[in-house]
This record gives sequence, structure tokens and C-alpha cells, in this order.
Amino acid sequence: NAGVTQTPKFRVLKTGQSMTLLCAQDMNHEYMYWYRQDPGMGLRLIHYSVGEGTTAKGEVPDGYNVSRLKKQNFLLGLESAAPSQTSVYFCASSYLLVLGTAKNIQYFGAGTRLSVL
Amino acid sequence: AQSVTQLDSHVSVSEGTPVLLRCNYSSSYSPSLFWYVQHPNKGLQLLLKYTSAATLVKGINGFEAEFKKSETSFHLTKPSAHMSDAAEYFCVVTEGDGGSQGNLIFGKGTKLSVKP
Repeated sequence: NAGVTQTPKFRVLKTGQSMTLLCAQDMNHEYMYWYRQDPGMGLRLIHYSVGEGTTAKGEVPDGYNVSRLKKQNFLLGLESAAPSQTSVYFCASSYLLVLGTAKNIQYFGAGTRLSVL
Repeated sequence: AQSVTQLDSHVSVSEGTPVLLRCNYSSSYSPSLFWYVQHPNKGLQLLLKYTSAATLVKGINGFEAEFKKSETSFHLTKPSAHMSDAAEYFCVVTEGDGGSQGNLIFGKGTKLSVKP
């Protein structure tokens, strides 16, 4: 019962470096999401995907790119890291049940703590 | 557009006393509402959900929440706090009717402290 797994758990980057965060889910969920969490801000949606091969922008997409080449994986890329991207990043996945039942229950990974110096 | 407001950024209670975490929402649709809990250095865990069935929703660890449409509220309660309840709690509403991308709108969180 792995659920949603994020790698790495921690990372320190220098300004201008690039990196990719990996999210993997084993629940056969169609929908996947990337959030960032900053103190006093709650979680804000960066990008999301409604299925393999499709992605869309969320609330704060600038400076990030994503790819969903396989249904179970959702990658978040930082091409040129900036100190403003220091944050905790959470991946989530979900299914949607129809007709007023449990809509969009999202299951979260444990998070990736990223520091950009 | 949907939004959610958690009225307290920090709540402190003594062990064994009741817990009340307040949440108000605005929604153009019939909303789905959730409470998530985040323990220190952990991911988010679903505590309970409301999806237009019973207005009083029971969750894990003795928590419950009541959906009050007239007050646009979804407050989280627990009769007796335990030390292990110390965490940050997020009230969440779905964006749209849940049949589209189903994005979640998060409140800014309420940090619950429990004193012995």
C-alpha cells in the first residue's frame, strides 16, 4: 500500500540549477496534482493533470513545468531555480466518483522540502 | 469563484477540553468540503468529507464537522482533545462541481496546540 510516493524528500539547490521532482501513485488514479506549501499560505496548486499525456496550469505555474508521460507518474521540473521557489512541495492524486458521492478525494504524498540558496 | 476562510490561524486548548476549528466557505455550486490534517513534517491526511449527504460528518480520531448552508460554515469539532491532535488543520472546498478537474481550494490552515 504505497499510495503516493514523492522523491526526493529533501533537496538543496543553488540559484539557477535545475531539478525534477518525481511523484508516483499506485492507485490507478486519473488525476494528479502538484502543490506548494508556504507558511501562512495553505497549499497552492502549481499544475495538474487529468490523464496521461495531459497537463494544465494551476494557480502558481510560473517557473515550473510538468509532464505526465505515464499514468502513474507526474514530474515537476524547475528549469532555473530561484530562492522564491524554496518551499515544501506536495503531490496528490485522485479519482472522481460521480453523482454526489465522494467527490475528488485527494491522496497526498509526504512532501519534498526544497531549499534554493 | 470558490473560497475558504479559516477564522483562526492558531488555536490552543488543554488536553481533555473541546476543540473547535472554524471554517467558512463561499461557493457558486453545491460544494464538497473536506478537512485535512497535517502533523509536523508529514503529508496531509484526509480527516473527513462532506459531499451533500448527511450534514453532520464523522471523521477519524473522534473529529466531526457540521455543514451549515445558511451560515456557509463547516466547523471542525472534537469533544476532548488529545496530545496527539496537535497539528495543522486545513479546511478545503472543491473548485467547480467536482465533475471537472476537481481542484481543491485550501484555507490557510489552523495550527492546533494541545497543552498537558
